[in-house]
Amino acid sequence: DAGVIQSPRHEVTEMGQEVTLRCKPISGHDYLFWYRQTMMQGLELLVYFNNKAVMDDSGMPKDRFSAKMPNASFSTLKIQPSEPRDSAVYFCASSPDRSSYNEQFFGPGTRLTVL
Amino acid sequence: AQSVTQLGSHVSVSEGALVLLRCNYSSSVPPYLFWYVQYPNQGLQLLLKYTSAATLVKGINGFEAEFKKSETSFHLTKPSAHMSDAAEYFCAVSERGGSYIPTFGRGTSLIVHP
Repeated sequence: DAGVIQSPRHEVTEMGQEVTLRCKPISGHDYLFWYRQTMMQGLELLVYFNNKAVMDDSGMPKDRFSAKMPNASFSTLKIQPSEPRDSAVYFCASSPDRSSYNEQFFGPGTRLTVL
Repeated sequence: AQSVTQLGSHVSVSEGALVLLRCNYSSSVPPYLFWYVQYPNQGLQLLLKYTSAATLVKGINGFEAEFKKSETSFHLTKPSAHMSDAAEYFCAVSERGGSYIPTFGRGTSLIVHP
C-alpha cells in the first residue's frame, strides 16, 4: 500500500523562479496538509484541505504561495517568485477523517533550496 | 488553545542507556497525544498515541509513553537505547471535539553514542 507520495524530492532553484511541489495523498484520505520545516521555526502548518476545499491557509504567505487540490488524489504547492528564505523541507501529509485522534501520514518531503 | 513544550532540543545517551524525552502539553479539554519520529531525510511517522484508554501507551521499537494528567505530561521512554534510535522526535497534541489539527512541538534530537 503506497504512502503519501511527494515530488520532486529535491529542488534547487534561483531566486525569482517559480517552484511547484506535488503531493499524492493516501487513497481514501479526506484531509491533506502542507507543512514547512526549518531549523528556526520547526514544523509549520501552511494550509490544509478537506475534500479538496481549502479549510485554513492562515499559515501560508499569500503573496507568493498558492495551494490547490484539483482532485482527491493530487495537490500542488506553488511558490512564485521564490526567495532564499523559502529554503526548507516541505512535507505533505494526509489523514482519514476529522477525528482528532487520527494520526497524520507524512510523505518523505521535498527539500527546496533557493539560491 | 492547545500547545506542546518539548524540554531539550537535544538529548544525548549512550547505547544501552535509558531514553527519556520530555513533553508537556496545554489543552483546555482532554487531549489526544502523539509521538512521532523522523529519521534523517524522511517524513514523520507515528510512534505511539494516547486516546484515553490506558495511560501507559506502548509503541513501536520498544518505546512507550505515560499520560499523566496531574503533570500535564506525556514523556517518551525506552529502557535501552539502540544506535538506530538516533532521530528527531516530535510530541503533538490534538483537542477532543475541537480542531482536529494537531499542534507539534519543536522536536528533540536524540543522539546515541556507541
